[in-house]
Amino acid sequence: NAGVTQTPKFQVLKTGQSMTLQCAQDMNHEYMSWYRQDPGMGLRLIHYSVGAGITDQGEVPNGYNVSRSTTEDFPLRLLSAAPSQTSVYFCASSANSVADTQYFGPGTRLTVL
Amino acid sequence: AQKITQTQPGMFVQEKEAVTLDCTYDTSDQSYGLFWYKQPSSGEMIFLIYQGSYDEQNATEGRYSLNFQKARKSANLVISASQLGDSAMYFCAMREPYILTGGGNKLTFGTGTQLKVEL
Repeated sequence: NAGVTQTPKFQVLKTGQSMTLQCAQDMNHEYMSWYRQDPGMGLRLIHYSVGAGITDQGEVPNGYNVSRSTTEDFPLRLLSAAPSQTSVYFCASSANSVADTQYFGPGTRLTVL
Repeated sequence: AQKITQTQPGMFVQEKEAVTLDCTYDTSDQSYGLFWYKQPSSGEMIFLIYQGSYDEQNATEGRYSLNFQKARKSANLVISASQLGDSAMYFCAMREPYILTGGGNKLTFGTGTQLKVEL
């Protein structure tokens, strides 16, 4: 059972480049989300999805785009990378109630030069 | 308004001793979930323990227990018999229901406590 997988593990971009961070889960979870982790700020929610075809913004959505065409996949797109987007990105999934644990992927460390 | 507060940026504990990591939260709803995650230096987020707002008993998972004081809105993590492998960042998080957050069952994190276990 793979759980939540993310690719790539590391990425270096130049300012203005675009890229997609991949996230997949094999637990048939309805809820998927993307967080970014910056030093001293904990994890902040970027975008989330409550099911295929349904996405919404989190706390820090600017500069990111998401879509959810299948239950399994939830890619995060950086449209035009900026140094402020240098961070560690985590994807998470869970069933959709307050009692359900969110399981995290291993993270992607992104550096924007 | 900050919803999860972890006031201890760093903590030290001697091996084999118990340690309490503080967490207070703020919500206007009666139904919510509280979680603790561990993040070792390798970076992954590891689920430790869960407490539901309606649970009358404090949650326990092996050496981890959650001291849940609902009236005070606190959910402190207690680690008994600390081990060197417990050295990590610890995050408290709260999950509020869809009807309150307007979408999904979002998880809000505190800023974390860095725990170091010493010999």
